Amino acid sequence: AQSVTQLDSQVPVFEEAPVELRCNYSSSVSVYLFWYVQYPNQGLQLLLKYLSGSTLVESINGFEAEFNKSQTSFHLRKPSVHISDTAEYFCAVSEAWPGGYQKVTFGTGTKLQVIP
Amino acid sequence: DGGITQSPKYLFRKEGQNVTLSCEQNLNHDAMYWYRQDPGQGLRLIYYSQIVNDFQKGDIAEGYSVSREKKESFPLTVTSAQKNPTAFYLCASSIDRANTEAFFGQGTRLTVV
Repeated sequence: AQSVTQLDSQVPVFEEAPVELRCNYSSSVSVYLFWYVQYPNQGLQLLLKYLSGSTLVESINGFEAEFNKSQTSFHLRKPSVHISDTAEYFCAVSEAWPGGYQKVTFGTGTKLQVIP
Repeated sequence: DGGITQSPKYLFRKEGQNVTLSCEQNLNHDAMYWYRQDPGQGLRLIYYSQIVNDFQKGDIAEGYSVSREKKESFPLTVTSAQKNPTAFYLCASSIDRANTEAFFGQGTRLTVV
């Protein structure tokens, strides 16, 4: 069975400082990896995804994540955070079940608080 | 604009009452999902549906029921059997292939009073 671990429930960081949000997963088959962002009292929005190819994927707002198969990790990074990045971030793993449909497992989330 | 609409955004229920949360999508997605979100617990799957007139229990289905009579709609009923229904409920849809992302509604916050 697949699982996703986000060890850090909260990460405070000063504005313009770098940040890394950690995500580790376990799965017995090939997986696809996603990061979603959730602003207060809203739904989740896709931030970036790894499907295949280059192990480094980027979002349009400066976040990047690197797929590391040997360490089964998909950590999210940003070199310089802004106040507007304050949100909760969820890592998710998707794998194909028999019959072709997808099984998605979400991590417990990491709250990023950017301090002015 | 394509998307998922959940209504209402806030809902209050008295103990012992059933309540239905609405979820509509115009993305032409086959799969739809209901998640429950509690602080520190991430998203837990309640029910999912891959096709009209078919749905499956997720990890925490007890006390909930769903229907999928139309492709666009996947309402969730929180019954009086759900012992702790106060939570944030999220509906999502997807193309239902492993390499595709889910699209989420804005959520419904249910409070039992």
